Amino acid sequence: QVQLVQSGAEVKKPGASVKVSCKASGYTFTSYGISWVRQAPGQGLEWMGWISAYNGNTNYAQKLQGRVTMTTDTSTSTAYMELRSLRSDDTAVYYCARSIYGDHDYWGQGTLVTVSS
Amino acid sequence: DIVMTQTPLSLSVTPGQPASISCKSSQSLLHSDGKTYLYWYLQKPGQSPQLLIYEVSNRFSGVPDRFSGSGSGTDFTLKISRVEAEDVGVYYCMQSIQLPYTFGQGTKLEIK
Repeated sequence: QVQLVQSGAEVKKPGASVKVSCKASGYTFTSYGISWVRQAPGQGLEWMGWISAYNGNTNYAQKLQGRVTMTTDTSTSTAYMELRSLRSDDTAVYYCARSIYGDHDYWGQGTLVTVSS
Repeated sequence: DIVMTQTPLSLSVTPGQPASISCKSSQSLLHSDGKTYLYWYLQKPGQSPQLLIYEVSNRFSGVPDRFSGSGSGTDFTLKISRVEAEDVGVYYCMQSIQLPYTFGQGTKLEIK
């Protein structure tokens, strides 16, 4: 069965960076992409970007350009999302989701990132 | 960016009764390939979102047939024919015809 297992919760200070992992299993990793979606406390869903696990091509939300980097390691079927220069409004649950044309059919369990001084 | 507008933002439904959620996009979601890139997700309390409907009207694997999606162009609807207690949560529509992908604000469904 398809599973996406994310890394654990993080607490970071403003200005720091965070790197969240998403380990995939149960399917051919390179046949799909991975989207990252975040959800601030009590808020809705915000799409952050997408990476092809086949060739590493990326598309990032404009508002995060320059601060976010998405990568994959095909040897371990793991996707990563790094967010730099963290601010308090980056506090959110970060989700990875398998995606090929925007159909996010399987989701990770979420990773809470708290940015606080 | 394409703006997705859902109505209502909250819904209280008696078990066994129907429910309907509207989603309107600021631009047509019909692609030149003939597909319409509109999705519906449900986020149950304390859980990750889950895919319900893809490309307007196709139920994802394991989704009960009481859920149905319809619409075209810029106007879409998610219907639940008979609401059950397990359907509580927040429903989101999402478009993927244009980057960035964008979600509606969410519609919270509660049981009366």
